[in-house]
Amino acid sequence: EPEVTQTPSHQVTQMGQEVILRCVPISNHLYFYWYRQILGQKVEFLVSFYNNEISEKSEIFDDQFSVERPDGSNFTLKIRSTKLEDSAMYFCASTLGGPNTEAFFGQGTRLTVV
Amino acid sequence: AQSVAQPEDQVNVAEGNPLTVKCTYSVSGNPYLFWYVQYPNRGLQFLLKYITGDNLVKGSYGFEAEFNKSQTSFHLKKPSALVSDSALYFCAVRDMGNAGNMLTFGGGTRLMVKP
Repeated sequence: EPEVTQTPSHQVTQMGQEVILRCVPISNHLYFYWYRQILGQKVEFLVSFYNNEISEKSEIFDDQFSVERPDGSNFTLKIRSTKLEDSAMYFCASTLGGPNTEAFFGQGTRLTVV
Repeated sequence: AQSVAQPEDQVNVAEGNPLTVKCTYSVSGNPYLFWYVQYPNRGLQFLLKYITGDNLVKGSYGFEAEFNKSQTSFHLKKPSALVSDSALYFCAVRDMGNAGNMLTFGGGTRLMVKP
């Protein structure tokens, strides 16, 4: 069964450093997403990406965040200058099409900012 | 704006008994509704969805959910719980008119099935 893959599984970084989280969505999917889950809290939407541009973003997704699909397969989330409160599990997801299709999630990257 | 409420942080049930995990939602338009399950240190796995049509939808691992428009609910059910069903369950909604396709999740309900 096709799956969304994320690397690394765990990233530890110092406050103020830049991090890039990587995702390979399912190959024929058209919509890509990043969500995050702070420990013990709900899963929160960050950004959606379609046709090589951001289609929607939440208030969390400020200027410190950016997304890219550099080579047609990878989908990356960059946090330019990490803060302690960025520590969370970050999930990548993809959907085949419109709003009636289910999202497939990756295993997540646990980001720890120290 | 869209929102989801899962009123129970935890549900405890004995193996073999029926289980229900509750979910209510709020959207401005018509909803697409989803249930996901999360096992420890794993991603979210899709269980089932309601798009249109029959209010009772069946999904993976024997789970089903009933859409009730008047009560704006989408409760997850299973006739006979297994210990292996113990996990964190998330209800999610997508507004049919939402161009970005974002999902809004509830806070999650931990299901504990005891032998």
